[in-house]
Amino acid sequence: TQLLEQSPQFLSIQEGENLTVYCNSSSVFSSLQWYRQEPGEGPVLLVTVVTGGEVKKLKRLTFQFGDARKDSSLHITAAQTGDTGLYLCAGLSRDSNYQLIWGAGTKLIIKP
Amino acid sequence: DTGVSQNPRHKITKRGQNVTFRCDPISEHNRLYWYRQTLGQGPEFLTYFQNEAQLEKSRLLSDRFSAERPKGSFSTLEIQRTEQGDSAMYLCASSLLAGGNTQYFGPGTRLTVL
Repeated sequence: TQLLEQSPQFLSIQEGENLTVYCNSSSVFSSLQWYRQEPGEGPVLLVTVVTGGEVKKLKRLTFQFGDARKDSSLHITAAQTGDTGLYLCAGLSRDSNYQLIWGAGTKLIIKP
Repeated sequence: DTGVSQNPRHKITKRGQNVTFRCDPISEHNRLYWYRQTLGQGPEFLTYFQNEAQLEKSRLLSDRFSAERPKGSFSTLEIQRTEQGDSAMYLCASSLLAGGNTQYFGPGTRLTVL
């Protein structure tokens, strides 16, 4: 069974602080996607990473795909209250018949 | 707006009633997915279509659930004889067959079964 484990499950920090969220698996993924979801809404795609070791930046968000393509991280610099939400990672692999395998998410709260 | 749309956004029903949800994908996307999500969890895969063909259905999916995509465009998800355990957010997503299968989600339909 393929699993994607996200950590931490919950994170509450002050505005201006930095944070990192992790997404780990024992499986290899051909690509990995990060989504952010707000209450009562569907997930919104932030980024897709496909190459081992790849780093993508989206303003204050930095996404990294592990060299072995088994893990990924999301780093937020100088968090803002607007970053509050549920961050989900989802991986795609041949073993899953190219269906997305989802993590349970990290609930992030940024306090003013 | 050319994103994925879902209707209704909210549905409250009594146990035992049937409900139907609609999803309109991004127009050029040939793959369409249905997910269920409960509070504090990631989306749980239900089924997906490639054009009008339903290619996969979760083994966890009850026979009370059925989905259609008759013309390869919009899709409907029907739940018969609803139970309280069916209360969840039902999400639809679409993607292109090519392009890494990046999925784009609709806003979801929140179902509450009383």
